[in-house]
Amino acid sequence: GAVVSQHPSWVICKSGTSVKIECRSLDFQATTMFWYRQFPKQSLMLMATSNEGSKATYEQGVEKDKFLINHASLTLSTLTVTSAHPEDSSFYICSATSSNQPQHFGDGTRLSIL
Amino acid sequence: QKEVEQDPGPLSVPEGAIVSLNCTYSNSAFQYFMWYRQYSRKGPELLMYTYSSGNKEDGRFTAQVDKSSKYISLFIRDSQPSDSATYLCAMTPTGGGNKLTFGTGTQLKVEL
Repeated sequence: GAVVSQHPSWVICKSGTSVKIECRSLDFQATTMFWYRQFPKQSLMLMATSNEGSKATYEQGVEKDKFLINHASLTLSTLTVTSAHPEDSSFYICSATSSNQPQHFGDGTRLSIL
Repeated sequence: QKEVEQDPGPLSVPEGAIVSLNCTYSNSAFQYFMWYRQYSRKGPELLMYTYSSGNKEDGRFTAQVDKSSKYISLFIRDSQPSDSATYLCAMTPTGGGNKLTFGTGTQLKVEL
């Protein structure tokens, strides 16, 4: 099956720093990538949709200046959490898709802000 | 009312049992249906992907879609402790780069 790699898997950093998370599709070209946030024992909450070469589309209530998304190539999208604070601590997951294929997910990044 | 309803469980079954997981939905535009398995602290893993109504089988897993009733199911035969996870149903009107609407997930525990 399709492989999506997400890095890092776990990051701890101080309040006020920026954190970048990478999402790569390893064996297919992803025209669209999605970024989700998941709180414990809850389902995935879509943050933004990213198409290669264009600006991301953010869901209502998601601050685009806080969560910067770049989808510069068909195999790589990045999410940067800027000036992170403890309330940004969460599990962030990306997914990738192309044509009529279903979304394939990365293994997630656990972000802890001290 | 949520667009997709899924019993959160937890559902506990003995090893070897047949497990039935279900979702109901309200949006008749949904055409593509997926089941994902998510282990703790991992991303969701695609198990089944079906289009429109009908059955699809893959090993111990069978997915059923009944669009007339707006009801989808995932059956797991000969359940194993390694099947213990959260199972998420998801659906979308069209394939490819379109948003998914998820159920809340059902937590399954298969006991020895």
